[in-house]
Amino acid sequence: NAGVTQTPKFQVLKTGQSMTLQCAQDMNHEYMSWYRQDPGMGLRLIHYSVGAGITDQGEVPNGYNVSRSTTEDFPLRLLSAAPSQTSVYFCASSYDTRQSGANVLTFGAGSRLTVL
Amino acid sequence: DAKTTQPPSMDCAEGRAANLPCNHSTISGNEYVYWYRQIHSQGPQYIIHGLKNNETNEMASLIITEDRKSSTLILPHATLRDTAVYYCIALPHSGGYNKLIFGAGTRLAVHP
Repeated sequence: NAGVTQTPKFQVLKTGQSMTLQCAQDMNHEYMSWYRQDPGMGLRLIHYSVGAGITDQGEVPNGYNVSRSTTEDFPLRLLSAAPSQTSVYFCASSYDTRQSGANVLTFGAGSRLTVL
Repeated sequence: DAKTTQPPSMDCAEGRAANLPCNHSTISGNEYVYWYRQIHSQGPQYIIHGLKNNETNEMASLIITEDRKSSTLILPHATLRDTAVYYCIALPHSGGYNKLIFGAGTRLAVHP
């Protein structure tokens, strides 16, 4: 049981490049989400998904794209990277509260992205 | 979701109890109080949650006032490994997906 796995751990991009941050979970969680954390700041919700084929926007969705084709995977795409997207990105997953009775998110270890 | 207010930073001596306050004066009846923490550079970690009764688990205790307008997270014997940012979040159990929105949290420094 690996939990939530994020790849890559570190990435450097040039402005305008595109890339995909991968997130996979093996806990059969319905819900998955992406957060970003800028230096010295709290986490901000980018996008989330309540199940395969269903995604929605969070607080800061601009510049990011997501899809959820399987329960296990929730990739985050940067279409044209900008220096403002330099951040640490965290993926998280959880059960439906109706199933688990609690909002307990399991987070990945993070992906540190630098855009030059 | 109700707004929560936490002090930006606190200190605690190793081995002593760390008492982290949280104000949530506008909390509604179906909102639980959740605590997460984030140790440097790691993903946040769930600690505990409660509605109106005091709760205890292997990590911490949660004391919620009778009027539910504030709560305190207690780490009974703080260690250096408890140095982290602690987030207090008010969240409903309304079924479905409830977006977890993190504030600035309290930066707890445990010193020898």
